[in-house]
Amino acid sequence: KQEVTQIPAALSVPEGENLVLNCSFTDSAIYNLQWFRQDPGKGLTSLLLIQSSQREQTSGRLNASLDKSSGRSTLYIAASQPGDSATYLCAVGWSGGSNYKLTFGKGTLLTVNP
Amino acid sequence: EAQVTQNPRYLITVTGKKLTVTCSQNMNHEYMSWYRQDPGLGLRQIYYSMNVEVTDKGDVPEGYKVSRKEKRNFPLILESPSPNQTSLYFCASSFGRFYEQYFGPGTRLTVT
Repeated sequence: KQEVTQIPAALSVPEGENLVLNCSFTDSAIYNLQWFRQDPGKGLTSLLLIQSSQREQTSGRLNASLDKSSGRSTLYIAASQPGDSATYLCAVGWSGGSNYKLTFGKGTLLTVNP
Repeated sequence: EAQVTQNPRYLITVTGKKLTVTCSQNMNHEYMSWYRQDPGLGLRQIYYSMNVEVTDKGDVPEGYKVSRKEKRNFPLILESPSPNQTSLYFCASSFGRFYEQYFGPGTRLTVT
């Protein structure tokens, strides 16, 4: 069974700070890992997708890394802004014993203070 | 515009009254799935479909049914809803297991 853990559960930082969100998973036999953001009462917006053969992906101020052997991924946010305030979710794509399953962590609630 | 749509967005119903939540995507995606999101439990997969007429159980399938008769549609059926199915439901789609997942806006269901 795949378990995905996100640490910390909540994080509050001043505007402009660089920050790191962590995601760990128990079964390293994954297809890929995806980071999402969720705003209150809204759906999920995809941020970055890393395939199992990749080490990192970058999009603007976001950089996600993947260390499959140790079961870890990090999302780095540079020069944080109040608009980055949201819940960040990590999701691992794996076989699940059959075809393809996506297992989510419980998220990190990020607050960026002006 | 490429998107995943869900209807209804909000629904309040009573125990035992059958309901269907529709999901439709216009991106010709093969893979579609349903999730429920509950406080403290996070997002959990209910059912998924690799393609037309191919569906399989996720982590929490009890009390739900799905069908995939057309590529673009993947309805979620609650034949006899119970209060423990009160939740926020999301539909998602992608080209397949190696591709980015796109989520719908969510359906907030309350069963009294």
